[in-house]
Amino acid sequence: KAGVTQTPRYLIKTRGQQVTLSCSPISGHRSVSWYQQTPGQGLQFLFEYFSETQRNKGNFPGRFSGRQFSNSRSEMNVSTLELGDSALYLCASSLVQATDTQYFGPGTRLTVL
Amino acid sequence: TQLLEQSPQFLSIQEGENLTVYCNSSSVFSSLQWYRQEPGEGPVLLVTVVTGGEVKKLKRLTFQFGDARKDSSLHITAAQPGDTGLYLCAGGHYQLIWGAGTKLIIKP
Repeated sequence: KAGVTQTPRYLIKTRGQQVTLSCSPISGHRSVSWYQQTPGQGLQFLFEYFSETQRNKGNFPGRFSGRQFSNSRSEMNVSTLELGDSALYLCASSLVQATDTQYFGPGTRLTVL
Repeated sequence: TQLLEQSPQFLSIQEGENLTVYCNSSSVFSSLQWYRQEPGEGPVLLVTVVTGGEVKKLKRLTFQFGDARKDSSLHITAAQPGDTGLYLCAGGHYQLIWGAGTKLIIKP
């Protein structure tokens, strides 16, 4: 089975711009979660989608949004980028439950200048 | 708010030494997962423990879930450079609660 794929792997943006990141889960996995990872804050949960609906949400501002398509692929969008948004954004898929084993992609490294 | 505290945050030891990493909470979890993350990659699951008092072994790694299901530990025997990485614990309730991680460096 192919693993979780994320595109792009690296991204450089400037403050005020917006960005869209993409995630393709493992075939058959219906839950997709997004995380932000920084050296100072560790792994922070952004949101989780299941059957095209946001099922759980972390404590992030509304500039962070996401969606899931009928084929379980997911995108996350960050609008009005800030310097503090520079981070590794990880996508993880799991079979059904948010507490099932998380299978992570390699992440998208976002740098905001 | 449920929190998972990992300690130590950073550990650098020589090859062949033993070490223990802790994951503690005041909350009860239905399960606890341990992941390892290497540079440039996403975390990879090592083990899931679900029963209070459970002990699981993965080669030189021993995982223990506390009797009250509030804490867990990871013990590595005779650490090797290949064990280097970021070790993360995650507690399951209705969603996963993540610890901040332990950065482990094993020097040859």
